[in-house]
Amino acid sequence: AQSVTQLGSHVSVSEGALVLLRCNYSSSVPPYLFWYVQYPNQGLQLLLKYTSAATLVKGINGFEAEFKKSETSFHLTKPSAHMSDAAEYFCAVQKTSYDKVIFGPGTSLSVIP
Amino acid sequence: GAGVSQSPRYKVAKRGQDVALRCDPISGHVSLFWYQQALGQGPEFLTYFQNEAQLDKSGLPSDRFFAERPEGSVSTLKIQRTQQEDSAVYLCASSLGGSQGANYGYTFGSGTRLTVV
Repeated sequence: AQSVTQLGSHVSVSEGALVLLRCNYSSSVPPYLFWYVQYPNQGLQLLLKYTSAATLVKGINGFEAEFKKSETSFHLTKPSAHMSDAAEYFCAVQKTSYDKVIFGPGTSLSVIP
Repeated sequence: GAGVSQSPRYKVAKRGQDVALRCDPISGHVSLFWYQQALGQGPEFLTYFQNEAQLDKSGLPSDRFFAERPEGSVSTLKIQRTQQEDSAVYLCASSLGGSQGANYGYTFGSGTRLTVV
């Protein structure tokens, strides 16, 4: 069965510092991978997706993620954190485009001024 | 509409009461999904529709949960005889579906926060 693990339920960074949120997936074949962001009392918003094209994926708000098959990882990064980046981030996996998306437990990002 | 609309935004139910949660997806989106998100956790899959057909209901936690999408557009998630453990945010998402489902991801509504007292 597909699953996603996110190392670190809570990450704190200083404003302007590098953001690194970790995601590992379990899958027998390279799946589709996503990062979603959730602001308080809101639904989830798609940040970026990997769909077997380029392994380095750029998303909205300056975020990017790199698919590494050998490490079964899809870590999310942003060079310089902004206060508005404080939110909950979910990594997600989808076996095929016809399957349901499975979400990880989430990582809460705090940005310290 | 421009986005996925869910109503009500908040619902407080007494234990044992039946509730109905509504989802209005983006016009033209074939696929519709319901997720349950407990406090501090990731969304958990409940059920999936392609048009009016319910293709996967493996995530529904009990037979008290029922979902429908009779005309392939608006969907309703019904919970009968609510229990305290049903308290959660219920998220609806829609997508173009099929081979385009992964290319565009899901568009989520803001959710319905259900509190059972």
